[in-house]
Amino acid sequence: EAGVAQSPRYKIIEKRQSVAFWCNPISGHATLYWYQQILGQGPKLLIQFQNNGVVDDSQLPKDRFSAERLKGVDSTLKIQPAKLEDSAVYLCASSLMLAGGGEQYFGPGTRLTVT
Amino acid sequence: DAKTTQPTSMDCAEGRAANLPCNHSTISGNEYVYWYRQIHSQGPQYIIHGLKNNETNEMASLIITEDRKSSTLILPHATLRDTAVYYCIVNAKNTGNQFYFGTGTSLTVIP
Repeated sequence: EAGVAQSPRYKIIEKRQSVAFWCNPISGHATLYWYQQILGQGPKLLIQFQNNGVVDDSQLPKDRFSAERLKGVDSTLKIQPAKLEDSAVYLCASSLMLAGGGEQYFGPGTRLTVT
Repeated sequence: DAKTTQPTSMDCAEGRAANLPCNHSTISGNEYVYWYRQIHSQGPQYIIHGLKNNETNEMASLIITEDRKSSTLILPHATLRDTAVYYCIVNAKNTGNQFYFGTGTSLTVIP
């Protein structure tokens, strides 16, 4: 069974530029999550999708971050414009269960450096 | 906000059992205890979860106290590859509730 795929693995941009990350979850998984992990901290949930609908985006900085999962499969997370404090690893996860909870399977993450 | 408390770091000798404690005194009746670990530069990996009863799988054992206010993850024979950050999370299934990872316990297995 293929795992959660993410790309790119690394990205370096200057502040005020835009960037996009892509995630392909495990086949059949209804729920998809995007997490932000700042160095030395645990992952923090940014947004949770169930199929192509948003379940929770309460911690997503909506003035600069956006995410979509148009066909209920893969997803993109965008930052525009980026700030220095957005430097982090962005993790995508998926789970079989609807409405969250249960086991989550994580991708390798995208390490973003904003200079 | 994290609903669990874990020690910041622990050491364990290779080949010995690693016992990682977690306090979750405010756990609700429908919340499970989950354990994940994160090896350096990788995404978190699911280990085990439980509700009331002790659980065991090929990776670890989970011991939950009778009052469910604390639990212990046991790695029976720690190897160097078990060096990682271990996260204890409480969460209810099918509620849409977030997973709060906290800062976890950094386990170092010493040769």
